[in-house]
Amino acid sequence: DVKVTQSSRYLVKRTGEKVFLECVQDMDHENMFWYRQDPGLGLRLIYFSYDVKMKEKGDIPEGYSVSREKKERFSLILESASTNQTSMYLCASSLLYRANTEAFFGQGTRLTVV
Amino acid sequence: KQEVTQIPAALSVPEGENLVLNCSFTDSAIYNLQWFRQDPGKGLTSLLLIQSSQREQTSGRLNASLDKSSGRSTLYIAASQPGDSATYLCAVTQGGSEKLVFGKGTKLTVNP
Repeated sequence: DVKVTQSSRYLVKRTGEKVFLECVQDMDHENMFWYRQDPGLGLRLIYFSYDVKMKEKGDIPEGYSVSREKKERFSLILESASTNQTSMYLCASSLLYRANTEAFFGQGTRLTVV
Repeated sequence: KQEVTQIPAALSVPEGENLVLNCSFTDSAIYNLQWFRQDPGKGLTSLLLIQSSQREQTSGRLNASLDKSSGRSTLYIAASQPGDSATYLCAVTQGGSEKLVFGKGTKLTVNP
């Protein structure tokens, strides 16, 4: 059974903290994504990676960075957490250049910044 | 810039009814289109994927169609059940990119 696993379901962090969200996939996928989901705004792409050590900014990268040191792991980093980063964070993965294969999502991390 | 729209935002139907969810996109140069289901507080589950060269895909009571030239897709759910209650999202993968662009979803409620 294919799987994308996010390290935490729920997180509560304080303003100004450095926060790490981890995502691991076991499907040998090249592409990995971080989205955030907010009511009324839908899913918005934060960062995308198509290979180890490669990254591309999505639509809302400000305040975030990412790390991909291994193919199966993609980390989202909030350098200094702020209350407007309270959200549901979703990680996904997919195969590169394959129009006939799906993207798979993790279970989500609900982050609250207080 | 690709924009994906889903109408209606919410839909409530009685059990047993057949229903159609709509998705439209502004740029027809897509790689594929995918329909997802999301239960409250959970991640997304893939339902159907249609490649840009295909017209439709079926899985059980679900049928998704794609008209790339007009920028539209529909998800047909036959004989709806209360367990179908969820938010349904469509997403396109833009040609020349690997990124998924999402609509905001249709929240479906099937009443017993």
